[in-house]
Amino acid sequence: KNEVEQSPQNLTAQEGEFITINCSYSVGISALHWLQQHPGGGIVSLFMLSSGKKKHGRLIATINIQEKHSSLHITASHPRDSAVYICAVNTGNQFYFGTGTSLTVIP
Amino acid sequence: DAGITQSPRYKITETGRQVTLMCHQTWSHSYMFWYRQDLGHGLRLIYYSAAADITDKGEVPDGYVVSRSKTENFPLTLESATRSQTSVYFCASSHLGTGNVKLFFGSGTQLSVL
Repeated sequence: KNEVEQSPQNLTAQEGEFITINCSYSVGISALHWLQQHPGGGIVSLFMLSSGKKKHGRLIATINIQEKHSSLHITASHPRDSAVYICAVNTGNQFYFGTGTSLTVIP
Repeated sequence: DAGITQSPRYKITETGRQVTLMCHQTWSHSYMFWYRQDLGHGLRLIYYSAAADITDKGEVPDGYVVSRSKTENFPLTLESATRSQTSVYFCASSHLGTGNVKLFFGSGTQLSVL
């Protein structure tokens, strides 16, 4: 049983497309994190949110606490957005991670 | 800008050998973590440490040993490497453990056990 489920697992988009990655979780959380991992690279934190919506450049993250669901949106996608996006939840005493969504943006 | 560094970046070893992966952070974060990342699994916690000389097991601790004699260092040792320990290992740190805080990750160590 996975505490965090992401969809889709793999996603290919044309440059400029609007992209949505979904995350559902089954545990009570204090915060939800979206992480980005470039091929062969480390993992960086994009967002940490516990309610509502956050925006950073072309990236938008939303969370619905009642439905235990979060989405990561990328507007006007670019090849440099190609990466694995990982959803993680913080229950207050540990983190649980999704298996990631591999995004490829084609020029 | 130092942050959190892991070494080596890549390591190939043989079954039965002892291997130590190093992790060093410059932020004086109290909490440090070791995760492994395998295809089909999310990041899985191996061990974590709340402070110097305080360590505890995570989800998959078998076959691993950690120590934390200094706040900035958190080495992970595979005492007798097995092929199932072939993985990418990430060290992470944060200020206040797993409360409402960010995790900062190292660049990872890709370990192959032959």
